Amino acid sequence: QKEVEQDPGPLSVPEGAIVSLNCTYSNSAFQYFMWYRQYSRKGPELLMYTYSSGNKEDGRFTAQVDKSSKYISLFIRDSQPSDSATYLCAMSLGVKAAGNKLTFGGGTRVLVKP
Amino acid sequence: GAVVSQHPSRVICKSGTSVKIECRSLDFQATTMFWYRQFPKQSLMLMATSNEGSKATYEQGVEKDKFLINHASLTLSTLTVTSAHPEDSSFYICSARAHDTQYFGPGTRLTVL
Repeated sequence: QKEVEQDPGPLSVPEGAIVSLNCTYSNSAFQYFMWYRQYSRKGPELLMYTYSSGNKEDGRFTAQVDKSSKYISLFIRDSQPSDSATYLCAMSLGVKAAGNKLTFGGGTRVLVKP
Repeated sequence: GAVVSQHPSRVICKSGTSVKIECRSLDFQATTMFWYRQFPKQSLMLMATSNEGSKATYEQGVEKDKFLINHASLTLSTLTVTSAHPEDSSFYICSARAHDTQYFGPGTRLTVL
């Protein structure tokens, strides 16, 4: 079993719909949780970064962390064709614990159709 | 803020030659940088952790003599693929640590003929 599980998709939604992405993990020691967006042949771009449990909102993006369930989510409102990409969840134990190594999910490919 | 650049963006070389890839943090100092490799339709695979002024830490299975890493300043880390072979062809991505997260460069596509 992988340490971080993420549905590979593809997840296809019509333009304007809400995109719902999630990851589950097994290591309860993870403290920092991130979502990255990666376009084809490009490096990952940091979208959201949260510490411990709770919600965080930034524009059209909302990240949720439920440490008790070991489950994190990313919601994209009013999705646009430009949101079509692969979304990677990542998490870490923190700088002091492990030099901030990230453990990634496998990525979910999202396609927003006009 | 938190911009990371990589150079070159793509490189094609002959088998047996060495290739150097640069990773720079443009607007912040990074004591720690990371090098990843990514195969098509797969997630990122951490190769090594690069610390400024000290030796890099390699992940299990990564040949340190083949993938030479130097982190000579707080804004620059380099990865040299020595004696490259076709199986080294891949997408190489660096990242720089800022606070408790990482910011990634745009990647370098290496093709070894």
